[in-house]
Amino acid sequence: EAQVTQNPRYLITVTGKKLTVTCSQNMNHEYMSWYRQDPGLGLRQIYYSMNVEVTDKGDVPEGYKVSRKEKRNFPLILESPSPNQTSLYFCASRTDSSSLYEQYFGPGTRLTVT
Amino acid sequence: LAKTTQPISMDSYEGQEVNITCSHNNIATNDYITWYQQFPSQGPRFIIQGYKTKVTNEVASLFIPADRKSSTLSLPRVSLSDTAVYYCLVGELGYSTLTFGKGTMLLVSP
Repeated sequence: EAQVTQNPRYLITVTGKKLTVTCSQNMNHEYMSWYRQDPGLGLRQIYYSMNVEVTDKGDVPEGYKVSRKEKRNFPLILESPSPNQTSLYFCASRTDSSSLYEQYFGPGTRLTVT
Repeated sequence: LAKTTQPISMDSYEGQEVNITCSHNNIATNDYITWYQQFPSQGPRFIIQGYKTKVTNEVASLFIPADRKSSTLSLPRVSLSDTAVYYCLVGELGYSTLTFGKGTMLLVSP
């Protein structure tokens, strides 16, 4: 089944403790992206990657890192999480630029930073 | 990316047809119009995409007038399970960033 998976689905952590949220897709998509969703603010893009070893900042990249060492994986790294990073995070992927908007989203990761 | 304006919320009853209109006055020549659906605590799901006139798939229809400054997502005979947030997005194919607005919260009642 074609899908985007994220792990963990739920995470409660403390301020300053480094964490990684993994994202994997099995559709051989070139493009992958991370979003966060907060009440009243909608979905905002954090980082995206057009292909392996190519990443770029989205609208809200501060406090986050990403890497794209292989096509299927696009982990989101929070080196020193803070309470304002408490949010619902979504990973997404799509095929090449000929189909911009048919992005496939993962199930989400709900992160709480205390 | 072109800015979009949608109603914040809409109410409907089961079995009715629902039309959600999106305004995008500054749409560019190469821009496409796309709609996503999102259920609570789930990722958005692609519904339909179009450039002009009418597009129909098994889920919905998308109507785009000649001037392309607005578009209407039509959901035939909605059910309770269609209760969700619907997002209208406008942009050029191949664009690297995708901007979701606040969407339209559709509530379907029995």
